[in-house]
Amino acid sequence: AQSVTQLDSQVPVFEEAPVELRCNYSSSVSVYLFWYVQYPNQGLQLLLKYLSGSTLVKGINGFEAEFNKSQTSFHLRKPSVHISDTAEYFCAVSYNTDKLIFGTGTRLQVFP
Amino acid sequence: DGGITQSPKYLFRKEGQNVTLSCEQNLNHDAMYWYRQDPGQGLRLIYYSQIVNDFQKGDIAEGYSVSREKKESFPLTVTSAQKNPTAFYLCASDRGGDTEAFFGQGTRLTVV
Repeated sequence: AQSVTQLDSQVPVFEEAPVELRCNYSSSVSVYLFWYVQYPNQGLQLLLKYLSGSTLVKGINGFEAEFNKSQTSFHLRKPSVHISDTAEYFCAVSYNTDKLIFGTGTRLQVFP
Repeated sequence: DGGITQSPKYLFRKEGQNVTLSCEQNLNHDAMYWYRQDPGQGLRLIYYSQIVNDFQKGDIAEGYSVSREKKESFPLTVTSAQKNPTAFYLCASDRGGDTEAFFGQGTRLTVV
């Protein structure tokens, strides 16, 4: 079955440190990849997406992600996090333009 | 402003009662989705609709029902057959294909 895996359920980090949130997906010929952020008791907001073209995708709030086809990964990175980045982050995959499949989420906790 | 609206934000019901969650969008999107979110389990797809008067079951449709009589509206009914209905419910919509999904702010349902 097609799936997406977020290996880290929680990632603690100090403010101004770099962070990487990992996402791996099951292999497919045609895949679209997304990262969403969710603040407490709110809906999801799109951070960035990869559809085609450059494998390095830049999103909002200083986040970026790199599509790696050989490793079937789409890890999210930020060089310097802020307290306000504390939230839950979801990786999502769409296979062959079908509906989105979400990972189980990674809770990023930024400490002062 | 265009968007997707869920109401109410908080909902309490007695066990054994059916309850309907509202989802309305004015984005002119063809596809609409209902997800259930539980801690540590990410988003699980309940039902989705890609066109008016048509909908499909997602991964956890048992105990739920939907209708899609209008493009703008996709209400979800949580029936008494749903064994554990207390959860955070998210509605989303998109244009289909590789486009991003837009989410509502969610409804937190508590059954007592």
